[in-house]
Amino acid sequence: DQQVKQNSPSLSVQEGRISILNCDYTNSMFDYFLWYKKYPAEGPTFLISISSIKDKNEDGRFTVFLNKSAKHLSLHIVPSQPGDSAVYFCAAIVKTSYDKVIFGPGTSLSVIP
Amino acid sequence: KAGVTQTPRYLIKTRGQQVTLSCSPISGHRSVSWYQQTPGQGLQFLFEYFSETQRNKGNFPGRFSGRQFSNSRSEMNVSTLELGDSALYLCASSPGGQDYGYTFGSGTRLTVV
Repeated sequence: DQQVKQNSPSLSVQEGRISILNCDYTNSMFDYFLWYKKYPAEGPTFLISISSIKDKNEDGRFTVFLNKSAKHLSLHIVPSQPGDSAVYFCAAIVKTSYDKVIFGPGTSLSVIP
Repeated sequence: KAGVTQTPRYLIKTRGQQVTLSCSPISGHRSVSWYQQTPGQGLQFLFEYFSETQRNKGNFPGRFSGRQFSNSRSEMNVSTLELGDSALYLCASSPGGQDYGYTFGSGTRLTVV
């Protein structure tokens, strides 16, 4: 039973355009969400997070939107750059479950120059 | 400050053998989590340790075990290796508590032949 879903295994975007990566979750107890970026042969690196009490969090070119009623979040990257090409993982936490982080399967983003 | 260090980086074992992977967290971090990454499956949560105690466990068979030492270093052991255990094993550390600043190591690539 996959609690965090990323239904698009891959996405291609032109450099300079917007990249939108989507994530859906099933567990309404999740109250904190994170996005990680992973390059081949490296561990994931933290990008941005959002608490369930917010609906938007922005950090430079990265913005995460949360729609609790739809159990959906999305990561927007504007403008997209070739260096953004990586696998992006959506992750969720139930704060009362200590540090058990549930990751989605990932979306591979390719930014075409 | 030094990041999360995982050793070894690469490992080849034969079926039926056992293996021990090591993770040294960031200094001061008390929580260490282990994940298995396989193609198409994303990051699957194995277990999490905080102050030498296992607080959370994922849905893996008992062949997968771990421990944490008083200096927060952690080891993961897999006994009676199977071909399907071939994966990238990632360790992440965080301060623990309500700080979700997870930092991942580069992982150990385990190949079972």
